[in-house]
Amino acid sequence: AQTVTQSQPEMSVQEAETVTLSCTYDTSENNYYLFWYKQPPSRQMILVIRQEAYKQQNATENRFSVNFQKAAKSFSLKISDSQLGDTAMYFCAFVTQGGSEKLVFGKGTKLTVNP
Amino acid sequence: EAGVTQSPTHLIKTRGQQATLRCSPISGHTSVYWYQQALGLGLQFLLWYDEGEERNRGNFPPRFSGRQFPNYSSELNVNALELEDSALYLCASSLEGRLSSGNTIYFGEGSWLTVV
Repeated sequence: AQTVTQSQPEMSVQEAETVTLSCTYDTSENNYYLFWYKQPPSRQMILVIRQEAYKQQNATENRFSVNFQKAAKSFSLKISDSQLGDTAMYFCAFVTQGGSEKLVFGKGTKLTVNP
Repeated sequence: EAGVTQSPTHLIKTRGQQATLRCSPISGHTSVYWYQQALGLGLQFLLWYDEGEERNRGNFPPRFSGRQFPNYSSELNVNALELEDSALYLCASSLEGRLSSGNTIYFGEGSWLTVV
């Protein structure tokens, strides 16, 4: 079965500090893409960052970076210099190559950035 | 450029009724995806349409169905509504259905369905 586990239902961080959100996944496939999505109160899912499983180099997007450990099937998200606008639900997800076009999501982590 | 648009924003139905939700993809996108987000759960894959055809289906009963029109817009139909169908239904679109090749999919803001 393909699953995603986010073990932290809720987290909080002070503005300007750094926070790491955890994600583990399970798939028997070798080629896949991993994603972190942000869902603010507006409910629209926004792509934060994407990682190709065959690339060893960790992806970065401005203040967002990932720690991808393929053997451990771990894909954590680090947010540096947290801002109030980062307050949202964060979902980890993956899709395997092979044509199913099915994103498998975790249950999410609710992140609150405090002033 | 307009993003993915969904209607209605909110819908209240009685158990046993039918609900129809609509989605317009980003201009030029041919693939449409539907996801269900029930309270406290992550997103569950419902359906994928590409070029007017249903390409994949998630683990949902046949009461959940849909279609994609020639202009690539889509509708999701839920028949014989049950209380547990209450959820946010999110539509997303992408170019040529190549999410598995790393293409980005873009989500709408969703339609809230409440079954009473």
